[in-house]
Amino acid sequence: QKEVEQDPGPLSVPEGAIVSLNCTYSNSAFQYFMWYRQYSRKGPELLMYTYSSGNKEDGRFTAQVDKSSKYISLFIRDSQPSDSATYLCAMSEGTYKYIFGTGTRLKVLA
Amino acid sequence: NAGVMQNPRHLVRRRGQEARLRCSPMKGHSHVYWYRQLPEEGLKFMVYLQKENIIDESGMPKERFSAEFPKEGPSILRIQQVVRGDSAAYFCASSRTGASGRNEQFFGPGTRLTVL
Repeated sequence: QKEVEQDPGPLSVPEGAIVSLNCTYSNSAFQYFMWYRQYSRKGPELLMYTYSSGNKEDGRFTAQVDKSSKYISLFIRDSQPSDSATYLCAMSEGTYKYIFGTGTRLKVLA
Repeated sequence: NAGVMQNPRHLVRRRGQEARLRCSPMKGHSHVYWYRQLPEEGLKFMVYLQKENIIDESGMPKERFSAEFPKEGPSILRIQQVVRGDSAAYFCASSRTGASGRNEQFFGPGTRLTVL
């Protein structure tokens, strides 16, 4: 079993839809949870950085962490074609060593 | 307001040659990390460096791979005697803070290595 599991997709949604992206993990010591967006053949771009449980909102993006279920989510409201990318979740125990999911490919159709 | 810079963006090598990948961290960042991304796989941690020090190289293959971050100049990831299995995207990240606690890592555009 991988330490971090992420559905690879692709996930196709119409423009304006609410998108839900998820990761599950097995290591209860993870404390920091990150979401990155990666466009094709580009580097990952940090979207959200959260600590412990709860919600964090930034514009159209909301990150949610449920440590009791070992489950994290990223919600994208009013999705746009420009949101089409691969979304990577990453986690750490509070050190520099990030553990990444394999990424979910998202396509937002105009 | 330059981000993390990597060069070259694309590198083609024949088996047995050496590959040198360079990374300049964001301004104000002194912590550098190298990750490797294989097709259909997540990014895998390779090594963590500060200026003139290797802090953690637990993710680096024991042979042929080395990394440095000299006092002056960029960080270098060096792969000697490349093999086809080394073909991947190599990403560098940097952070302002280091080992523990809040540690936001910002990534460069990557170097795509192809070994013929």
